[in-house]
Amino acid sequence: AQSVTQPDIHITVSEGASLELRCNYSYGATPYLFWYVQSPGQGLQLLLKYFSGDTLVQGIKGFEAEFKRSQSSFNLRKPSVHWSDAAEYFCAGRSGGGADGLTFGKGTHLIIQP
Amino acid sequence: GAGVSQSPSNKVTEKGKDVELRCDPISGHTALYWYRQRLGQGLEFLIYFQGNSAPDKSGLPSDRFSAERTGESVSTLTIQRTQQEDSAVYLCASSIRTDTQYFGPGTRLTVL
Repeated sequence: AQSVTQPDIHITVSEGASLELRCNYSYGATPYLFWYVQSPGQGLQLLLKYFSGDTLVQGIKGFEAEFKRSQSSFNLRKPSVHWSDAAEYFCAGRSGGGADGLTFGKGTHLIIQP
Repeated sequence: GAGVSQSPSNKVTEKGKDVELRCDPISGHTALYWYRQRLGQGLEFLIYFQGNSAPDKSGLPSDRFSAERTGESVSTLTIQRTQQEDSAVYLCASSIRTDTQYFGPGTRLTVL
């Protein structure tokens, strides 16, 4: 069965420190992968996506993610976090080229310490 | 242009009542999706519409849930005989064919 797993429920990072949020996937073929961010009371905003090609993907707000087929991972990174990055982060996937709905991980809650 | 809009933003209902949730997709987006987000959980896919094709209802949790969409416009998600476990945020998303999905702000449903 297709699945997306985010192993970390909560992550606490100091402002200015680097960030890595983990995402693992299980699909029969290379999936399309996404990272979304959800701030309190807000809808989901797309940070970045991977369909094919270059495995290092740049997104908005200074985020990037790297697709690693050998590790079935698509981890999200940011070199220096800001207090405004505190939010819930969701990794999602779907079958490449398919029309099915997205499969979401359970989310990682990011807390920024001053 | 305008993003995906949903109404109402909040809905409180009594157990056993029917509710209708509305989604207005981004103009020109042919695909429309409904998801459910329970408290502290990720999103669960419910149903998908693509143009005039038959919808993919594979994610609907029970026959109390149904959805309609006329052409490439507004969609309505209906929950009949609501139960307390239906309490959640219901999110709608739209996309151009099967490209990136853009989400609305959601409808928070509370069943008392």
